[in-house]
Amino acid sequence: QKEVEQNSGPLSVPEGAIASLNCTYSDRGSQSFFWYRQYSGKSPELIMFIYSNGDKEDGRFTAQLNKASQYVSLLIRDSQPSDSATYLCAVNIPGYSTLTFGKGTMLLVSP
Amino acid sequence: ETGVTQSPTHLIKTRGQQVTLRCSSQSGHNTVSWYQQALGQGPQFIFQYYREEENGRGNFPPRFSGLQFPNYSSELNVNALELDDSALYLCASSLGGYGGNQPQHFGDGTRLSIL
Repeated sequence: QKEVEQNSGPLSVPEGAIASLNCTYSDRGSQSFFWYRQYSGKSPELIMFIYSNGDKEDGRFTAQLNKASQYVSLLIRDSQPSDSATYLCAVNIPGYSTLTFGKGTMLLVSP
Repeated sequence: ETGVTQSPTHLIKTRGQQVTLRCSSQSGHNTVSWYQQALGQGPQFIFQYYREEENGRGNFPPRFSGLQFPNYSSELNVNALELDDSALYLCASSLGGYGGNQPQHFGDGTRLSIL
């Protein structure tokens, strides 16, 4: 069973703090990793994608990938109440045409 | 650049009926994937179309079927609707059509309710 695991949360952080969202995956051959943000009642919005080990930064967001540990994370610096949403991790599983999603982690940023 | 558009936004059907959902891909994208998202769950892959052909299918019964047209727009058809089909149906477009390596961009979804 090819799986993508995320802590369902909620993860609560105060405004201005760093939020750290984590994701593990089961297939060691996975090659592409994506983070989506989903507000309640809305569709997923692509935030970041990463293909290589290490860090990738885009504004307040940093994606981190460690293929040896089968672990991908998303850091949100200077968290804002508007960042409160569910964050979905998605992974390309080799042999499959598309992405496998985790169940998502709910992030709550309090003012 | 035109994003992914889906129609209708909301739909209410009864058990046993049939439904067609529509999706226009983002400008320049030739691949469309369909997902079902139940409340509190991540999106579940239904199938993908690339250049008008099915390019992979998830664990959904044959009563879920689809089409892709020459302009890369797509339809999802569901026959013999069941109560468990109530969900948000998401369409995502991307470039390439293989391996899922390319970022996928989602439309706003269709909320389907089965009574």
